[in-house]
Amino acid sequence: NAGVTQTPKFQVLKTGQSMTLQCAQDMNHEYMSWYRQDPGMGLRLIHYSVGAGITDQGEVPNGYNVSRSTTEDFPLRLLSAAPSQTSVYFCASRSGLASYLYFGPGTRLTVT
Amino acid sequence: DQQVKQNSPSLSVQEGRISILNCDYTNSMFDYFLWYKKYPAEGPTFLISISSIKDKNEDGRFTVFLNKSAKHLSLHIVPSQPGDSAVYFCAASGDNAGNMLTFGGGTRLMVKP
Repeated sequence: NAGVTQTPKFQVLKTGQSMTLQCAQDMNHEYMSWYRQDPGMGLRLIHYSVGAGITDQGEVPNGYNVSRSTTEDFPLRLLSAAPSQTSVYFCASRSGLASYLYFGPGTRLTVT
Repeated sequence: DQQVKQNSPSLSVQEGRISILNCDYTNSMFDYFLWYKKYPAEGPTFLISISSIKDKNEDGRFTVFLNKSAKHLSLHIVPSQPGDSAVYFCAASGDNAGNMLTFGGGTRLMVKP
């Protein structure tokens, strides 16, 4: 099992550019989510999904879109990047019965 | 306003001694609490959890204590080891399905040999 994988590991964007952060898991987990980590703020939930075709907003959803067409993949889209979106992004998943999340290694995004 | 707070950004402890990491929360609806450990350039990994119906949970060297009346939880690591040096996040959940976790800001623990 590869667990939760994220690509790319690092990305630099200019303000206004768009991009998609990829997340995949091979554990057949129903639940997947995206968090961003900022210094002193801990991890904040952006969006989550409880299964294919179902997504919902977390604490800080503005500026981000998600979709869940398969159980394995949960991409995060930035339509028009802003410097405030400079952060480390973590994807996480869990099975319906588990109480805790498995996290990916993260994507460090810088928006200039 | 942060609903989960870790007021100590860093903690330094000698190897073999006890490490105590603290976490306070404000939302009385939180009923499940978790601790995660994070090494640099890696994602957080689950460490230990506790339900609000308990006041203590142990797993080897790690013990979590919950004081509901004070809205306070703590993680004890005994004995501390240099490999425990990492950032520790506490997290809380209040929705029945556990779909939304609220994290604290983290405490960096340094265990000196």
